[in-house]
Amino acid sequence: EVQLVESGGGLVQPGGSLRLSCAASGFSFSDYSMNWVRQSPGKGLEWLSFLSRGGVSEYYADSLKGRFVVSRDSAKNSLYLQMNALTADDTAVYYCARDDWVYWGQGTQVTVS
Amino acid sequence: EIVLTQSPATLSLSPGERATLSCRASQSISSHLAWYRQTPGRAPRLLIYEVSNRATGIPARFSGSGSGTDFTLTISSLEPEDFAVYYCQQRSNWPLTFGGGTKVEVK
Repeated sequence: EVQLVESGGGLVQPGGSLRLSCAASGFSFSDYSMNWVRQSPGKGLEWLSFLSRGGVSEYYADSLKGRFVVSRDSAKNSLYLQMNALTADDTAVYYCARDDWVYWGQGTQVTVS
Repeated sequence: EIVLTQSPATLSLSPGERATLSCRASQSISSHLAWYRQTPGRAPRLLIYEVSNRATGIPARFSGSGSGTDFTLTISSLEPEDFAVYYCQQRSNWPLTFGGGTKVEVK
């Protein structure tokens, strides 16, 4: 069974940093590109980042202004999102999603306050 | 950045009725459009990809159409689980973008 499990969320002060993880299982992680998406309270979905299966190509939402960095570790079957200079606007549930967009994690809550 | 505008914001219908949701792109995205359904507290679920292809396990009451800049998701007969929020997404250009969503609520 394909599973994506996010972790690393929590409460952080403005200006702080946080590193989210997405643990993948049930499929060959190295064969798939991956994405991060977030959803602010009561708001819609916002695509954040893409990382290709080999880790060579990465793309980001314009709104992030270089504050977030995506990475992956195929040995650990994990995707990461390093988030820096956090503001209240970054408060959201963060999801990872496989690039076929069929499989999503359950989300991890990030609160900046 | 390609902006996706969904309409209406809210659709009030009864079970068994037909729902028609619209998604308009600020520039042509060819056929690179997907639709998702999201219920409260859950991750979105892929319904339709490349305009009109149903994802695995998605019932035939869901259909998609359109091309270029104007797209439609049709639910032929609403089931209780269909009262949810629907999002369109374009995968034509980076950055990927989602529409603002249409909420389908019980009338």
